[in-house]
Amino acid sequence: GAVVSQHPSRVICKSGTSVKIECRSLDFQATTMFWYRQFPKQSLMLMATSNEGSKATYEQGVEKDKFLINHASLTLSTLTVTSAHPEDSSFYICSARYGGLNTEAFFGQGTRLTVV
Amino acid sequence: AQSVTQLDSHVSVSEGTPVLLRCNYSSSYSPSLFWYVQHPNKGLQLLLKYTSAATLVKGINGFEAEFKKSETSFHLTKPSAHMSDAAEYFCVVIRTDTGRRALTFGSGTRLQVQP
Repeated sequence: GAVVSQHPSRVICKSGTSVKIECRSLDFQATTMFWYRQFPKQSLMLMATSNEGSKATYEQGVEKDKFLINHASLTLSTLTVTSAHPEDSSFYICSARYGGLNTEAFFGQGTRLTVV
Repeated sequence: AQSVTQLDSHVSVSEGTPVLLRCNYSSSYSPSLFWYVQHPNKGLQLLLKYTSAATLVKGINGFEAEFKKSETSFHLTKPSAHMSDAAEYFCVVIRTDTGRRALTFGSGTRLQVQP
């Protein structure tokens, strides 16, 4: 149980275009979803937290107009990278949690975004 | 605010020898701590978690960790390394200062297993 599916696993896009990444909890309803970014050989940095039906809470330094997060249902959250630039190239990982506030989160497989 | 420090960026062991990955935490009260493993270009898998129950926590694949409040440590150990253990390991704490309960990651430790 507790499977999180992230799609696509890899995407290449041209500068200036937008890319949407989906994160789905397959067998549970996620009370909270998180989006992380990971640069090569570095740790995961939290970008934003979203709860179903409400606006996402962004971490300091993350541009909310560039990284649009929609949490339309208890099983789906999307991250859209708008007007992508090469510096947005990175590994993006979503995670989802159900149950109590101090429980673990389950992670998607990640999306490798390359902007050319 | 809660945070974790992984003391080693790289650890190299021989197959069949013990593994020790070190993690210290900073928290004003009893934290919720986790160890996750990440294989190359993959998502993260939970190895084990501590949530104020038993201080010695057993996880998957033979890993275990001991919560030591006096030392503010949560080191990950395994008696005998296997080649498949080679990966990146993250010590993680739940961040409670903002109310969002996001997971805060340590910088990671890359484990190499030599044949």
